[in-house]
Amino acid sequence: GAGVSQSPSNKVTEKGKDVELRCDPISGHTALYWYRQSLGQGLEFLIYFQGNSAPDKSGLPSDRFSAERTGGSVSTLTIQRTQQEDSAVYLCASSLGEGIGANVLTFGAGSRLTVL
Amino acid sequence: RKEVEQDPGPFNVPEGATVAFNCTYSNSASQSFFWYRQDCRKEPKLLMSVYSSGNEDGRFTAQLNRASQYISLLIRDSKLSDSATYLCVVRGPYGGSQGNLIFGKGTKLSVKP
Repeated sequence: GAGVSQSPSNKVTEKGKDVELRCDPISGHTALYWYRQSLGQGLEFLIYFQGNSAPDKSGLPSDRFSAERTGGSVSTLTIQRTQQEDSAVYLCASSLGEGIGANVLTFGAGSRLTVL
Repeated sequence: RKEVEQDPGPFNVPEGATVAFNCTYSNSASQSFFWYRQDCRKEPKLLMSVYSSGNEDGRFTAQLNRASQYISLLIRDSKLSDSATYLCVVRGPYGGSQGNLIFGKGTKLSVKP
C-alpha cells in the first residue's frame, strides 16, 4: 500500500484479555518499529525489526508483550493479560533498512488501546 | 543525562512571531539528526533533516552544533497551522539501542491569532 497500515484503529478490551495489534508496513521497507504513546506523553520505544529478526527488544515493558514479523512484512504486537496501564496509542513505523532512506520513518495512524 | 532532551514547552506565540527550539543529545558519536512534527492525536511526520552546514526549508531553518551537541529549529513568521509538537530525533552510532533512532519527548508549540 501507499502508507503504513495499522489495525484495529481502536480497541477497547477488558483487563486480563489478550490483544493483537497489526502493522502492515510500506512495501520494500525492511525496518519496522513499534512505539507506544500515552496521552500527552512522548514516544516510548518498544521493539525494532530488521527483516524478520528483532535485534532490539529492549523497550518491551514486560514479558506480557511480544512481537513477531513474518515474511519481512506484516508485524503483530501481542499483549497478554492486559492491564489498565497498557492503555495507549500503539504506533508502528517503517523505513528502508539502509542508506539515507533508513533515516526516514513513515508512521501508521496508530492503534488506540483502551483497557477497562 | 537523557539521550535526547528537549524543553517540553509549551511555547505560546502570536502569529508572525519567530520561535526557536533547541534539543541536546548525549552521545557524541551520533550520526544523523532530524525534526519530526506531530499534530494533536496524529502520527509523527518527518519535517526535515538537519545537516552539518545547516539547512533551510521555507520558513524553517535547522542547525547542528556538534561541538556543543545540540540541534535547533527556527520557525519564522509563525502560522496557526504550525501549532504542533516538534520532536527531535537522533540516529545513534551503529549497534546502539532503540534501532538507533532516539526520539525526544517533544516541544509543544501553540500559535495564537
